[in-house]
Amino acid sequence: DIQMTQSPSSLSASVGDRVTITCRASQNINKYLNWYQQKPGKAPKLLISAASSLQSGVPSRFSGSGSGTDFSLTISSLHPEDFAVYYCQQSYSLRWTFGQGTKVDI
Amino acid sequence: EVQLVETGGGLIQPGGSLRLSCAASGFSVSGTFMSWVRQAPGKGLEWVSVIYNDGSSYYEDTVKGRFTISRDSAKNTLYLQMKSLRVEDMAVYYCASIGYFTPDAFDVWGQGTMVTVSS
Repeated sequence: DIQMTQSPSSLSASVGDRVTITCRASQNINKYLNWYQQKPGKAPKLLISAASSLQSGVPSRFSGSGSGTDFSLTISSLHPEDFAVYYCQQSYSLRWTFGQGTKVDI
Repeated sequence: EVQLVETGGGLIQPGGSLRLSCAASGFSVSGTFMSWVRQAPGKGLEWVSVIYNDGSSYYEDTVKGRFTISRDSAKNTLYLQMKSLRVEDMAVYYCASIGYFTPDAFDVWGQGTMVTVSS
């Protein structure tokens, strides 16, 4: 299976900060990389697909980049509602795998 | 409105069986890939199983042979039959569509149903 490794596992930030989360795949996955946001007690929400395609309704302060094995999710200016756990997920292999998650808190 | 609603979770003893259901509205469970994803308490997301449009299905290694994914087109419902349950299967189970709106992504999620495996 393709292993997905996120860093950091957690980070503390303030409203207005720029935050970057990285995700590394154990093999080349081209751009088959998605990002999800999960808030406590809620289902995950798809933010970005195909490494950089922002989903409809997702604020433009979120952006994704990367290809191959190295990817990143950037929040340009943290809003209070952005404090959550973020997961990357590869869809290159049809045995889908997620990163372990990055908790963004205050 | 596109929606998924899971039911069927609960407390079950190790070795027991349980069937989860996921009722879809606004789209057909037979017209897109459908999947189950679980999340153990305090842990990350783990893909469990998928059923494709053609009916073929695949499983994560630890549930292979114990879990069965299926769907009922008439009821527009996805199922996960779980047998020989283990403590490590305890989790919130989410159903999700893959590629309904967005290719190759889990794009529509249910609210989840909790499965507790304990004696």
